[in-house]
Amino acid sequence: RKEVEQDPGPFNVPEGATVAFNCTYSNSASQSFFWYRQDCRKEPKLLMSVYSSGNEDGRFTAQLNRASQYISLLIRDSKLSDSATYLCVVNLSPGNTGKLIFGQGTTLQVKP
Amino acid sequence: DTEVTQTPKHLVMGMTNKKSLKCEQHMGHRAMYWYKQKAKKPPELMFVYSYEKLSINESVPSRFSPECPNSSLLNLHLHALQPEDSALYLCASSQASANPWNEQFFGPGTRLTVL
Repeated sequence: RKEVEQDPGPFNVPEGATVAFNCTYSNSASQSFFWYRQDCRKEPKLLMSVYSSGNEDGRFTAQLNRASQYISLLIRDSKLSDSATYLCVVNLSPGNTGKLIFGQGTTLQVKP
Repeated sequence: DTEVTQTPKHLVMGMTNKKSLKCEQHMGHRAMYWYKQKAKKPPELMFVYSYEKLSINESVPSRFSPECPNSSLLNLHLHALQPEDSALYLCASSQASANPWNEQFFGPGTRLTVL
């Protein structure tokens, strides 16, 4: 079983749609959780951290369920510029450095 | 300055060559990382340095040799690579503190082709 599992997609949605991505992780000792975004042939960039209380940043909402070991990302009112690969990321390290484990990524294509 | 730079952007090398990848950050971060990313796959952690000391080696073959000469620089020395080592090599940095929420900042990567 992979440590972090995501549906690879692709998700093809029209502009303005709401789309949800899900992710599960296997290690219950995971310390922290993130969604990163990676554009084609670019480096990953942090989209948002995912806290137990959930968090929202504009059109993006992330939720964490530690009991179910499940993470989600909701994108409302999709824009063309949201087209990218979204990586679910878990930090396994309790120390002073991160040991990030990446999911396979979910590809989103927003169409006009 | 929230930037991690990497050189070169592209590198083509033969299996008998020796080359080095370089990474630099000036954010005062004391944790630096090397990742390998194959096409259509997620990044995979290779090495972690904390305060210029190697703290994690994810069982990487010895033909990859990391070096952290100071707090701003991270190198990856390459020798006798195989064609399957062709990939995007990403460097990242973060604060080194007991805070698991520290963001890792990634450089643009070096795209390596081994012939």
